[in-house]
Amino acid sequence: QKEVEQDPGPLSVPEGAIVSLNCTYSNSAFQYFMWYRQYSRKGPELLMYTYSSGNKEDGRFTAQVDKSSKYISLFIRDSQPSDSATYLCAMSVAGGTSYGKLTFGQGTILTVHP
Amino acid sequence: DGGITQSPKYLFRKEGQNVTLSCEQNLNHDAMYWYRQDPGQGLRLIYYSQIVNDFQKGDIAEGYSVSREKKESFPLTVTSAQKNPTAFYLCASRLQGGYGYTFGSGTRLTVV
Repeated sequence: QKEVEQDPGPLSVPEGAIVSLNCTYSNSAFQYFMWYRQYSRKGPELLMYTYSSGNKEDGRFTAQVDKSSKYISLFIRDSQPSDSATYLCAMSVAGGTSYGKLTFGQGTILTVHP
Repeated sequence: DGGITQSPKYLFRKEGQNVTLSCEQNLNHDAMYWYRQDPGQGLRLIYYSQIVNDFQKGDIAEGYSVSREKKESFPLTVTSAQKNPTAFYLCASRLQGGYGYTFGSGTRLTVV
């Protein structure tokens, strides 16, 4: 079993829809949780960053972390065609020998249709 | 502008050849990473380096080698021992004390 599992998708939604992207994980030591967005043939870019449990909002994007369920989500409100990309969740422990190493999910391909 | 530069963007390798992928950063970041991306498998860690002249194997290091002689540079060599090298290779860096990565734009390697 992989340490991080991400819903594979692909997801196809109409413009304006609310999108929910999810990841589960098995390592209870993960403390830092991130979402990256990757456009085709480009490197990933950091979209959202959360420490421990709770919610974080940035414009149309909301990241949620539920450490008790080992489950994280990214919500996109009023989705736009420009949101069409691959979304990757990533996680890291807080210290020790694995400090700074990110473990990534498989990625979900999202397409938003005009 | 600060960032990470990967070159070349596209690379073709013949069977039995070694090839080197370049990664240079001017962000003054301490740690650098190499990931491999295959369809449906996300990013898998090949090698990483926290400081100059030191590096560690990641999850899929077999058939790859790296060096870290300068803080700014972390080249990856794909050797002939790597049996399935066709993939998208991503280099990343991280500031000491930070957790988010800055990624380069990647190199797509194809075996011909």
